[in-house]
Amino acid sequence: KQEVTQIPAALSVPEGENLVLNCSFTDSAIYNLQWFRQDPGKGLTSLLLIQSSQREQTSGRLNASLDKSSGRSTLYIAASQPGDSATYLCAVGQYGNKLVFGAGTILRVKS
Amino acid sequence: EPEVTQTPSHQVTQMGQEVILRCVPISNHLYFYWYRQILGQKVEFLVSFYNNEISEKSEIFDDQFSVERPDGSNFTLKIRSTKLEDSAMYFCASSDRLTSGRFSYNEQFFGPGTRLTVL
Repeated sequence: KQEVTQIPAALSVPEGENLVLNCSFTDSAIYNLQWFRQDPGKGLTSLLLIQSSQREQTSGRLNASLDKSSGRSTLYIAASQPGDSATYLCAVGQYGNKLVFGAGTILRVKS
Repeated sequence: EPEVTQTPSHQVTQMGQEVILRCVPISNHLYFYWYRQILGQKVEFLVSFYNNEISEKSEIFDDQFSVERPDGSNFTLKIRSTKLEDSAMYFCASSDRLTSGRFSYNEQFFGPGTRLTVL
């Protein structure tokens, strides 16, 4: 059974810092990996999708990498801002269009 | 920008009652999903739906649950007889076609969720 782990569970950084969020998964038989942002009490906002054949994707200040063989992905956020404060979720795409989620990293960017 | 919408935002019901949660997926998407998140826990997959039939479902999605696309725009989740443990945030999602077939593996876009409280 696929297990997705995100480290750290929580992170507090000063504004302007570059940071890395980590995601690991136990079963490398994935179709894709998707990073989301979740604000308190709100829905999930898709940030980036990496297909299993890709190594990385970039969107603005965000860069996500995927190493399928080692079961790891990282989300790099450049020049963090207070508006980046949220919970970041990693989800791997399994057979059947099913996303399996990690527990998330709670990010706080202090101004 | 197109988005997934869900109604109601909050539903309170008594144990044993039936509830229907409604979703309007992004208009040109063909693949639809329901997930749930119990407070403080991970988001969990319930079911995927394509071409008017269930493509995949989880162990959670038992006979108490059903999904339907009653018209060209709505996608619903019905819980026949709610239990206390059904209290959760329920998210609908949709995705566009990436390849042919009943699975998309494309980016999934989520709605804002319906908070279901079972008393």
